[in-house]
Amino acid sequence: NAGVTQTPKFRILKIGQSMTLQCAQDMNHNYMYWYRQDPGMGLKLIYYSVGAGITDKGEVPNGYNVSRSTTEDFPLRLELAAPSQTSVYFCASSSGAGDSNQPQHFGDGTRLSIL
Amino acid sequence: GQQLNQSPQSMFIQEGEDVSMNCTSSSIFNTWLWYKQDPGEGPVLLIALYKAGELTSNGRLTAQFGTTRKDSFLNISASIPSDVGIYFCAGQLSDGGSQGNLIFGKGTKLSVKP
Repeated sequence: NAGVTQTPKFRILKIGQSMTLQCAQDMNHNYMYWYRQDPGMGLKLIYYSVGAGITDKGEVPNGYNVSRSTTEDFPLRLELAAPSQTSVYFCASSSGAGDSNQPQHFGDGTRLSIL
Repeated sequence: GQQLNQSPQSMFIQEGEDVSMNCTSSSIFNTWLWYKQDPGEGPVLLIALYKAGELTSNGRLTAQFGTTRKDSFLNISASIPSDVGIYFCAGQLSDGGSQGNLIFGKGTKLSVKP
């Protein structure tokens, strides 16, 4: 039972490089989320999606893009990496929101350093 | 934006002690969640609370959804070494605009007393 799978687990980028962080879930969840976690802080929402083809900005979307072409996958793209994007990135999914709030299940994270 | 105040920021425990932590907010939430995060891993859900006043247990863990819907606490009874880690509270809205987005506290770090 894989749950939420994130790849890669670690990555070092140079300033200005681009990369895509992958997230896949096998629970048929409609809702998916991307968070970043900075040292000593809680998680902050970057982008979220309520279903295939639908994405929306969270609290800290600048410098990132997402797409949701399938229910299973929700990749996060950094176009021009900056040192401020050094962080641990977590993907999460849930089966419902609104009146049927369902807990979010998290992947193990991608540790990204921009040098 | 909305913020959650989680306290304490850190605490040291001795095996067998009971532990308490709490979260407060100026906003009303419809769901409170408690997660634990071990080093190098993602948060793992411990307890989910869906109704004001609800008291829910999961083994040695007990959490309550405050009656004002602005706070929640988590208790750990008879702590053991594997309880160390960072505990996060998270509040979840269910209004039309939030799509179930979580607001996280900054975490309570549990360590073993030297």
